[in-house]
Amino acid sequence: QSVLTQPPSVSGAPGQRVTISCTGSGSNIGAGYTVQWYQHLPGAGPKLLIFGNTDRPSGVPDRFSGSKSGTSASLAITGLRAEDEADYYCQTYDHSLDGYYVFGTGTKVTVL
Amino acid sequence: QVRLQESGPGLVKPSETLSLTCTVSGGSVNYDYWTWIRQSPGKGLEWIAFYHYTGSTHKNPSIKNPVTISFDSSRNEISLKLRSVTAADTAVYFCAEGRGHYLSLVFDHWGQGALVTVSS
Repeated sequence: QSVLTQPPSVSGAPGQRVTISCTGSGSNIGAGYTVQWYQHLPGAGPKLLIFGNTDRPSGVPDRFSGSKSGTSASLAITGLRAEDEADYYCQTYDHSLDGYYVFGTGTKVTVL
Repeated sequence: QVRLQESGPGLVKPSETLSLTCTVSGGSVNYDYWTWIRQSPGKGLEWIAFYHYTGSTHKNPSIKNPVTISFDSSRNEISLKLRSVTAADTAVYFCAEGRGHYLSLVFDHWGQGALVTVSS
């Protein structure tokens, strides 16, 4: 059902940089709505990492950064650590139908 | 620090009503958008509905089941009722606090989730 497409998985060695893409369309990201990113560990609720395309909540390391261009957004993780192994989701608003909030398909980050 | 805790039956029969409650502590439901989100087994996150403290509600138009979301200010609780459930409604259900503008909601506090299985 998701209209935001993410790669199913990305991996990297400790210390490396990985990026996760989030591709949408003209009714969501391309319409100018802001993008958020969440980290989801098993057994817990997702944790907000990035809001407003690029901003980090207090307490989120600056190893995590977000960007947006056109109908896509990206999350970059630099200095990869073992504790970064988790699922990551992008999220935004879509104005099609009656309007609703949509999440990406999710990306599993594996630290090698 | 706001904390959210979901509770409710873990097993619901097909065609019946799924009922969940989210208890908010460390904050008040008299602000922001109180939201239900679910994750079906092996799948991604799906927004279900929100309740805004002004009394307005909105549900995901892609979800065909009748949905009711309400709140009890005396108990600081938000409730979800999802009717006529099928096996496809089996999921972990999360309660989340949404803040900001309606068109740019940010879900910055989440409960740990409650697993609901639909089975006879």
